[in-house]
Amino acid sequence: DARVTQTPRHKVTEMGQEVTMRCQPILGHNTVFWYRQTMMQGLELLAYFRNRAPLDDSGMPKDRFSAEMPDATLATLKIQPSEPRDSAVYFCASGLVIGGTEAFFGQGTRLTVV
Amino acid sequence: DQQVKQNSPSLSVQEGRISILNCDYTNSMFDYFLWYKKYPAEGPTFLISISSIKDKNEDGRFTVFLNKSAKHLSLHIVPSQPGDSAVYFCAASRRNKYIFGTGTRLKVLA
Repeated sequence: DARVTQTPRHKVTEMGQEVTMRCQPILGHNTVFWYRQTMMQGLELLAYFRNRAPLDDSGMPKDRFSAEMPDATLATLKIQPSEPRDSAVYFCASGLVIGGTEAFFGQGTRLTVV
Repeated sequence: DQQVKQNSPSLSVQEGRISILNCDYTNSMFDYFLWYKKYPAEGPTFLISISSIKDKNEDGRFTVFLNKSAKHLSLHIVPSQPGDSAVYFCAASRRNKYIFGTGTRLKVLA
């Protein structure tokens, strides 16, 4: 049963700490997305990769957020330093996004920064 | 700048009736549109999509309509069932970059 796996599912951290969220995309998918769900913005695109190369990270606050894909089985999203306003659910999605085919989402990481 | 907008945060519908969820977009270059459903504590799951060259796509109880001149799409669910209660997101794609709306919470009343 192929699925996108995100770890951790929940993270509580203190303001100023580094947070790393991980994503294992579905094997064979060529595109990986990072989204953040907030009440006001809905699903906000932070960054995405095609064949491990970053295509667009314009949605990320550059001073504190970074996204990488060190290999085809792992994507990471880091926040350093974290702030209370970063509290949200972060989703990773992957897909073979050719011709509008869908992306598949992980279950998300709920981040709380206190 | 919200390129994809869902102006109704919530909608309540009686079981068996039609649910109509709406979505507006601003960029005429979008080439595909998708609808996702999201239950609490789960990731969004794909429902149905439509190419910008079509005006209707149907899959069982779900139909998506696209009006390009109005830059508007809608999702119709007929008949609505209590299990359809969820948050629905529309998404628009250009060069396979997916932009999502803010979501509409649908509640189907038994």
